[in-house]
Amino acid sequence: KQEVTQIPAALSVPEGENLVLNCSFTDSAIYNLQWFRQDPGKGLTSLLLIQSSQREQTSGRLNASLDKSSGRSTLYIAASQPGDSATYLCAVRNSNSGYALNFGKGTSLLVTP
Amino acid sequence: DADVTQTPRNRITKTGKRIMLECSQTKGHDRMYWYRQDPGLGLRLIYYSFDVKDINKGEISDGYSVSRQAQAKFSLSLESAIPNQTALYFCATRAASTGELFFGEGSRLTVL
Repeated sequence: KQEVTQIPAALSVPEGENLVLNCSFTDSAIYNLQWFRQDPGKGLTSLLLIQSSQREQTSGRLNASLDKSSGRSTLYIAASQPGDSATYLCAVRNSNSGYALNFGKGTSLLVTP
Repeated sequence: DADVTQTPRNRITKTGKRIMLECSQTKGHDRMYWYRQDPGLGLRLIYYSFDVKDINKGEISDGYSVSRQAQAKFSLSLESAIPNQTALYFCATRAASTGELFFGEGSRLTVL
């Protein structure tokens, strides 16, 4: 069974810092990996989707990388802002079980002014 | 308007009551999902549907049922609600071409 782990569980940084969120998975036979943002009590907003054949995806200040062989993905946030404060989740879709995503438990990010 | 809409957004009910959570989407996706989110447990799949005639159980389907009334509508029912079904429920759709998942805003259910 695919296990998805996100470290750290919580992170607090001052505004302006560049930061990296980590996601690891146990089964490298994945179809894609998706990063989401969740604000308290709200739904999940898709940030970036990386297909298994890709190494990275970028959107604005966000950059996500994927290393299938080592079972890792990172989400890089440049020049963090208080509005980036949220929980960030990664989810992996397996190649051999394409019907669902396996979610990590998320990293709770607080960016202080 | 949101692409994936869930109703109700909040519901408080009593043990033993029947509850229906509704989801509608305007994205034109065939694939739809119901997840629940609990603190410390993350998101877990309840049911999923690839089209109107294809409905499948997820990892935690006991105590739940679903109905796919149309391509755009997917409802989740709790036949006899119990307190440990208190959670935040999410509906999602998936784009067939890219596999990207899109979520609704969630339905918070409290069972007393």
